[in-house]
Amino acid sequence: EPEVTQTPSHQVTQMGQEVILRCVPISNHLYFYWYRQILGQKVEFLVSFYNNEISEKSEIFDDQFSVERPDGSNFTLKIRSTKLEDSAMYFCASSDGVITNEKLFFGSGTQLSVL
Amino acid sequence: GESVGLHLPTLSVQEGDNSIINCAYSNSASDYFIWYKQESGKGPQFIIDIRSNMDKRQGQRVTVLLNKTVKHLSLQIAATQPGDSAVYFCAEKGSSGSARQLTFGSGTQLTVLP
Repeated sequence: EPEVTQTPSHQVTQMGQEVILRCVPISNHLYFYWYRQILGQKVEFLVSFYNNEISEKSEIFDDQFSVERPDGSNFTLKIRSTKLEDSAMYFCASSDGVITNEKLFFGSGTQLSVL
Repeated sequence: GESVGLHLPTLSVQEGDNSIINCAYSNSASDYFIWYKQESGKGPQFIIDIRSNMDKRQGQRVTVLLNKTVKHLSLQIAATQPGDSAVYFCAEKGSSGSARQLTFGSGTQLTVLP
């Protein structure tokens, strides 16, 4: 069964450093997403991406965040200067773009720890 | 503001019994709902979805019920198995004015007792 894959599974970084989280969405999907989950809290929407541009973003997704689809398969989330409060599990998701019944399929996540 | 909330944070059931997990939502504009299962260290896994023009939808051992009058969503799991132990989230789409953004609830931890 097709699945969303994410690398790395764990990322430890120093505050102020840049990190790039990587995702390979399901191959025939058109919409791509990043969500995050701070330990013990809800899963929160960050950004959605379609046709090589951001379609929606939340208040969390500030200027320190960026997304990119550098080639036909990868979808990345970059945090330019990490803060302690960026520590969370980051989930990539993708969907086929059928808006009326749009299931999001999630990867297993990257646990980001900012020290 | 809009919210999707769960009635109970934890639920314990005996193996073989049926489980019912509840979810309340506050925005009547929500038009699509999904239940996800999240096992420890993994991402949310799709279980079943339902659109607002339906009251009930059945899958394999799972049923989702939607009561739009009281803005309530439930997930029923038949013959609960140890592998069903996980956190279950309801999520809604359409509540924030966004066509695609999912809003997740807080989650219910389901524990299946032997």
